[in-house]
Amino acid sequence: GENVEQHPSTLSVQEGDSAVIKCTYSDSASNYFPWYKQELGKRPQLIIDIRSNVGEKKDQRIAVTLNKTAKHFSLHITETQPEDSAVYFCGGGSNYKLTFGKGTLLTVNP
Amino acid sequence: SAVISQKPSRDICQRGTSLTIQCQVDSQVTMMFWYRQQPGQSLTLIATANQGSEATYESGFVIDKFPISRPNLTFSTLTVSNMSPEDSSIYLCSVVLRDAYEQYFGPGTRLTVT
Repeated sequence: GENVEQHPSTLSVQEGDSAVIKCTYSDSASNYFPWYKQELGKRPQLIIDIRSNVGEKKDQRIAVTLNKTAKHFSLHITETQPEDSAVYFCGGGSNYKLTFGKGTLLTVNP
Repeated sequence: SAVISQKPSRDICQRGTSLTIQCQVDSQVTMMFWYRQQPGQSLTLIATANQGSEATYESGFVIDKFPISRPNLTFSTLTVSNMSPEDSSIYLCSVVLRDAYEQYFGPGTRLTVT
């Protein structure tokens, strides 16, 4: 089955800086890679996703890049704000079945 | 997106008992899933809830422990049977809306087994 590794496990940045979270996957058949943000005590919220036929996708301050050859994908958050502080999970899979990374605790310091 | 509700939102149960969690969606969906999130951990897929047939379980999860029903397109239940303290977790349903690819999570059910 799919195995998704996520790094770093914790990330602390100053407000206004950029944050990058990286994930690798093992199954070359995986074709869908979402990112979720989970605030304390709340449900995971889909923030951006990418399919394997696309190399990059951007939505305002958030972007995701995918390198199918190397089997890795990354989340980029620019101009970070304190409200970006949360746990971020990457996922990978196909046919709607997802395997998630262990998560990254992002702290944005004012 | 859609409105996804789960009942109960939380419960405290005695070991050896069973709890049934309900997931209801206000839109027609193609796929429904059940996940477990242990404290401070990631999301682990338990099973795919198939409409009108037996659920498809992931490795490490069995029907006797986690029976699942999905009688129609918008409703599913997960039962946690013969509970032990190790079953203390948040249980979340997720759905894929018809004609879409994105997966959305319900609010979760926080289960504590004493």
